[in-house]
Amino acid sequence: DAGITQSPRHKVTETGTPVTLRCHQTENHRYMYWYRQDPGHGLRLIHYSYGVKDTDKGEVSDGYSVSRSKTEDFLLTLESATSSQTSVYFCATSTGVDQPQHFGDGTRLSIL
Amino acid sequence: QKEVEQDPGPLSVPEGAIVSLNCTYSNSAFQYFMWYRQYSRKGPELLMYTYSSGNKEDGRFTAQVDKSSKYISLFIRDSQPSDSATYLCAMSSLSGGSYIPTFGRGTSLIVHP
Repeated sequence: DAGITQSPRHKVTETGTPVTLRCHQTENHRYMYWYRQDPGHGLRLIHYSYGVKDTDKGEVSDGYSVSRSKTEDFLLTLESATSSQTSVYFCATSTGVDQPQHFGDGTRLSIL
Repeated sequence: QKEVEQDPGPLSVPEGAIVSLNCTYSNSAFQYFMWYRQYSRKGPELLMYTYSSGNKEDGRFTAQVDKSSKYISLFIRDSQPSDSATYLCAMSSLSGGSYIPTFGRGTSLIVHP
């Protein structure tokens, strides 16, 4: 939807390793978001971006960093992955600050 | 108490039934209300987006917002097995210059033939 591609779609890694997830969009949407989805918690915002090089923290940002060097790409990095970061990660985009978000199909990340 | 409450279900109904999915919320500042549908191992897909109180209809789907009661609903008419999915409500208000939505945890719907 909205031309959003997340990569990789699945990843298994070990505790302590760095992990980078990529979100690529083809719609030229200004706003981009990273969420994690866990049973019992629903979707929780990690970080979001309101323009190139402009980012802000969300509800659960500890242990995560983001970068946006181009309109179309938004990267999420786990500097040193922990088992508590095992989750499904979704990227979303929107055209405006008051417009609904459109989601990619997620990345399933398992940290052993 | 979470800002947005949604019964996780599952809600099981026969094909052709009218389905009612609901969310309650506590933040009276919420202005925008959304419903998403999420199939297993897929991302949420926007179904309905409303700003004001009242009803909005799109095909078999009707979204209803009652701000006075802090209650929103999604009705699905003539439900089909393909409607089996998890339905997420979301709502937002202007906070810090952004309308970051708050999501409910989702209701699992099963429509059996």
